[in-house]
Amino acid sequence: GAVVSQHPSRVICKSGTSVKIECRSLDFQATTMFWYRQFPKKSLMLMATSNEGSKATYEQGVEKDKFLINHASLTLSTLTVTSAHPEDSSFYICSAGEGPLAKNIQYFGAGTRLSVL
Amino acid sequence: GEDVEQSLFLSVREGDSSVINCTYTDSSSTYLYWYKQEPGAGLQLLTYIFSNMDMKQDQRLTVLLNKKDKHLSLRIADTQTGDSAIYFCAELNTGNQFYFGTGTSLTVIP
Repeated sequence: GAVVSQHPSRVICKSGTSVKIECRSLDFQATTMFWYRQFPKKSLMLMATSNEGSKATYEQGVEKDKFLINHASLTLSTLTVTSAHPEDSSFYICSAGEGPLAKNIQYFGAGTRLSVL
Repeated sequence: GEDVEQSLFLSVREGDSSVINCTYTDSSSTYLYWYKQEPGAGLQLLTYIFSNMDMKQDQRLTVLLNKKDKHLSLRIADTQTGDSAIYFCAELNTGNQFYFGTGTSLTVIP
């Protein structure tokens, strides 16, 4: 299947700093990528839909200025958690779709564990 | 948003069959999925089924869909210790919205 690489896999940062997470589709072009947040013992929550060359579409309740998403190319989307605080600590996962069913069949990155001290 | 529910835990003995169940509320689902998450790893797509299908089989995996009852199940035949993981069901609706279940933690007892 298609490969989606997410980096870093784990990051620990101080409160108030910003953290950037990268999501790359290694062997296919992804016009749309998705960013999710996973809460302990809870399901994945879609944060935003990232479209190449345009602004991301955020889900209700997700702060746009807090979670900056950039999708500069067909193979790379980035999520920047700005001025991170302990409540932002979570597991963040990206996904990308391939081909004509791009929005239907999603391949996930390995996730990034963010710990804010 | 829509609700997708799963039992949190399931334990089976090695060699037995596992059945993981999922219920959802969305009437406009188009695709339904099963993902596997191993410890510390991301989600791996196991299989998916179109909403107009009743059953899909893929090697040891059998997906059953009862659209009337909005019930989806994943059967793993001859369960192995390597199958121990968290299994998420998810549905995609006509609005291209993904909704995930809470995940079922499967423990395979040797």
